Amino acid sequence: DAGITQSPRHKVTETGTPVTLRCHQTENHRYMYWYRQDPGHGLRLIHYSYGVKDTDKGEVSDGYSVSRSKTEDFLLTLESATSSQTSVYFCAISDGGLDNSPLHFGNGTRLTVT
Amino acid sequence: AQKVTQAQTEISVVEKEDVTLDCVYETRDTTYYLFWYKQPPSGELVFLIRRNSFDEQNEISGRYSWNFQKSTSSFNFTITASQVVDSAVYFCALSPRGSGTYKYIFGTGTRLKVLA
Repeated sequence: DAGITQSPRHKVTETGTPVTLRCHQTENHRYMYWYRQDPGHGLRLIHYSYGVKDTDKGEVSDGYSVSRSKTEDFLLTLESATSSQTSVYFCAISDGGLDNSPLHFGNGTRLTVT
Repeated sequence: AQKVTQAQTEISVVEKEDVTLDCVYETRDTTYYLFWYKQPPSGELVFLIRRNSFDEQNEISGRYSWNFQKSTSSFNFTITASQVVDSAVYFCALSPRGSGTYKYIFGTGTRLKVLA
């Protein structure tokens, strides 16, 4: 299994508080992604990174920011959490490459904003 | 537009029945990749198969088979002789390569329930 660790696994927070989710990989893969999973919406891309300090927005990036200061770590921050951000968050990695390697996912973080 | 449509929200079958999960994609890129993932009740996402746009060969792996048809922009997944352990949500995904980015676009998933 790909070495991807998400922390925390579960979090309950209050509306308006900042929250940071961490994704750590041991595969030295170039590409890292944050998705959210919600009923009826499948997996939606929030942000992704194609290298250290290189990030770009996905389809649902409003209210989220990311940072990648090291190859192995990709942080997702909710600056001021809202109830609409209650979701399961998945980190994924890929080494890209000519054959477009598949995404490998972490085990997810369940975030509840009350 | 780049999009993946899984029109079947939920399917229920009785064990040993065959079942096909549909996936229709949209992209203007000529180079792209298609994937299927399985999410069992435990919640993890498991990679099943990858197919590139230049390889329309169908693939079989045990009870699983995949039918890729560029003419209809479809990449359907068939489970033969379904088993209770096949109960999961299945996601189809598209990764277009025309812009040089490595985005992966997912469908909304199909929940498969296999009844004993």
